[in-house]
Amino acid sequence: GQNIDQPTEMTATEGAIVQINCTYQTSGFNGLFWYQQHAGEAPTFLSYNVLDGLEEKGRFSSFLSRSKGYSYLLLKELQMKDSASYLCAVSDSNYQLIWGAGTKLIIKP
Amino acid sequence: IAGITQAPTSQILAAGRRMTLRCTQDMRHNAMYWYRQDLGLGLRLIHYSNTAGTTGKGEVPDGYSVSRANTDDFPLTLASAVPSQTSVYFCASSQTSGGAGNEQFFGPGTRLTVL
Repeated sequence: GQNIDQPTEMTATEGAIVQINCTYQTSGFNGLFWYQQHAGEAPTFLSYNVLDGLEEKGRFSSFLSRSKGYSYLLLKELQMKDSASYLCAVSDSNYQLIWGAGTKLIIKP
Repeated sequence: IAGITQAPTSQILAAGRRMTLRCTQDMRHNAMYWYRQDLGLGLRLIHYSNTAGTTGKGEVPDGYSVSRANTDDFPLTLASAVPSQTSVYFCASSQTSGGAGNEQFFGPGTRLTVL
């Protein structure tokens, strides 16, 4: 079956760095997405990886290793507004997104 | 303002009633999707449409139907609601249904409670 695993919850301190991991097993692979979702709101796009390596976008970076079925989202210089859930999703062989349950990130002052 | 709108924002519904959730986008996107989001679970695809006039079943289609008469609108209908359909429903759209980097844009969601 298809499976996306990510930690349920993480806690970090304002100003610090946090890494959110995602492992996947899917039928086919056409890229991996990270979305941010604040409580009670819609998911919003953060990043997309289809080739191995690191993609950097401001304070956020995303890494992909296709051979290991692994990705991580790295958040630097954490701000209180980064408190949210972070969703990992893989585009499968039919280009449908398979979603992880999300990682709730709690930022403490 | 460009984007996706959903209506209603929230609804409490008696079991057995029929309900249509509305979704409209003004980005001229070809593909549209309906997801449900339940606590502890990832977003699950209910139905999708790759282009106007076509629809397809997702992971959890039972009890739901959709239509795509035009590019902008993609309503989701619950023919006879059951309590297990209590959830938050998100409509999303993307420029195309396939291809690399096909980012999906989400509507604000509809919170549905079936009693």
